[in-house]
This record gives sequence, C-alpha cells and structure tokens, in this order.
Amino acid sequence: QQQVKQSPQSLIVQKGGIPIINCAYENTAFDYFPWYQQFPGKGPALLIAIRPDVSEKKEGRFTISFNKSAKQFSLHIMDSQPGDSATYFCAARGQGGSEKLVFGKGTKLTVNP
Amino acid sequence: NAGVMQNPRHLVRRRGQEARLRCSPMKGHSHVYWYRQLPEEGLKFMVYLQKENIIDESGMPKERFSAEFPKEGPSILRIQQVVRGDSAAYFCASSPTRAGEKLFFGSGTQLSVL
Repeated sequence: QQQVKQSPQSLIVQKGGIPIINCAYENTAFDYFPWYQQFPGKGPALLIAIRPDVSEKKEGRFTISFNKSAKQFSLHIMDSQPGDSATYFCAARGQGGSEKLVFGKGTKLTVNP
Repeated sequence: NAGVMQNPRHLVRRRGQEARLRCSPMKGHSHVYWYRQLPEEGLKFMVYLQKENIIDESGMPKERFSAEFPKEGPSILRIQQVVRGDSAAYFCASSPTRAGEKLFFGSGTQLSVL
C-alpha cells in the first residue's frame, strides 16, 4: 500500500514557467514532509521541508504549500531553469519513534530552454 | 568535509553470489539508513542503524539480507545468494540526529545481478 502518492509522473515546462508537483498522504501521524531533488547518477538531496503546523514555506525559488485537512502538499518552482531538470521526490516521516521516510514515486521534470 | 561515501558505485554479481555494499557516513553522523530504488520507483526504506545497533529493520527482507554498522568502519549491507530481483540502486543516507531529518544521501551502489 503506497502511503504517499505523487503526481504527475513527468512534467515538461518552458524556462521561466512554474512547475507544480503534488503529493497526497494517508497517514495522519506523518509529521515532517521533505522534498528531495535527484540528478541522474546521484543520490537525492534535500531541497526543502515543511511541518504540518505551517501552510507554506519558501526557500529561494522553491515553495511548499501544505493543506493539512486535505492531506496534500505540493512543490512549486518559480522561474524554473534548465538546471532544475531533475527528478523530484516528496516524502513523509512518521512520528513516535519511526524515523524512516516514505517516498513518493517521483516526478521527472524537464525545463526546456 | 566529505559527504556520504558509498562503494562500489557499480557491482555486478551472478545469481547465487554475495553482494557487499559499503557506506561511510558523513563525519559526525552516527545514524545510517539504507534505501533501495527500483527504476521508475521511489526509494523504499530498508533499515536504520546506529553505531553497533539495528534500530529498525522493518523494510528489509527477512532472508538473505543483513546490515551492520560496527563501532569502527563503514556500514555494510550484505545480500547473500543474490537473485535477479535484487538488481536495483541501493542508497545509504546519514543523519546527525535520530529524528531522521536532514538526511544526506550517498551516490548509491548500482547492483546488477546476471
């Protein structure tokens, strides 16, 4: 049973566009929601993260929007650049001693020049 | 300050052989996580270790797989009698705290079973 559902599977935008990647979760015990960026041949790198007591968080061109009642969160990339082309994963962490992250299946983003 | 180091980067094994994957966490990190990634899939948690202790192995198959993080040296993920279904990218991550936040991933080991 997949606990974090991510969409779309792939996304193509033009430079300067604002790609949006969505994730939905089922487990209300999740208490930490990070996004990871992965380039081919590399491990994932933490991009930005949010906790459920906050509805939005911005770091540079990256913004997380969080809707606790809908159990959804999304990543927005402002003024996207070709260098942002990568695979993006959302994740969620359980509370109460379960530190492991549950990952979505990923979104392959392509930003065309 | 070196990041998480994994070796080898690529490992080819024939069915029935043993695969041994190594992970050296970042300096000062005593928490290590192993994840497996299949093509077009997200990362699946396998095991969480602290020095000399397995904290959570709920994602690791009961048979053929084992992990350790000794007092000295790298963490080791061992797969005995590999099968073709074990072919995947295996990522190690380390963290300075138990909370599981701020995970730093290595570049992974791509295991191919012939």
